[in-house]
Amino acid sequence: GQNIDQPTEMTATEGAIVQINCTYQTSGFNGLFWYQQHAGEAPTFLSYNVLDGLEEKGRFSSFLSRSKGYSYLLLKELQMKDSASYLCAVKVHSNYQLIWGAGTKLIIKP
Amino acid sequence: EAQVTQNPRYLITVTGKKLTVTCSQNMNHEYMSWYRQDPGLGLRQIYYSMNVEVTDKGDVPEGYKVSRKEKRNFPLILESPSPNQTSLYFCASSLTARSYNEQFFGPGTRLTVL
Repeated sequence: GQNIDQPTEMTATEGAIVQINCTYQTSGFNGLFWYQQHAGEAPTFLSYNVLDGLEEKGRFSSFLSRSKGYSYLLLKELQMKDSASYLCAVKVHSNYQLIWGAGTKLIIKP
Repeated sequence: EAQVTQNPRYLITVTGKKLTVTCSQNMNHEYMSWYRQDPGLGLRQIYYSMNVEVTDKGDVPEGYKVSRKEKRNFPLILESPSPNQTSLYFCASSLTARSYNEQFFGPGTRLTVL
């Protein structure tokens, strides 16, 4: 079967750094996406990893290890507006579907 | 402005009354998809379309129909809605189905079936 695991909820302090983990077991792998979703809004694209390593994009970075079936999203210099859910999704080789994790709700405290 | 639009945004209906949720994109995208989002379950794909007149089932297609007669439109049809179809629905599109193409999401339709 296909499975993606993320922590349900995390809390962090404004200005700090937080790492959101995602582990996956899928029948194939053709890339991993991270999306941000504010409450009541649509998901928006953050990053895409297909090769092992770290991709940095401003305050956000995403890491992938294909051999471990593991990714993380690193958010630096946290701001209150970063309070949102972060969704991990894997594109499986055998079809064009994305398999989605349930998302991690990130709460930022002043 | 490049966007995906959905209508209606909110809908309360009764069991068995057919309804259609429209989805339209103005980015000339080939790939379009419908998802439902339920608490604790994440996004689940209902149907997707690789291009005009090409559609296929996702993970949870039962009780839904779609059509893709034009590239920009991808309506979701519930022929006989039931309470277990109460959910938040998102339409999404991407340039193609290729791995690296990000998906752009519509604003969502919150459906309640009584």
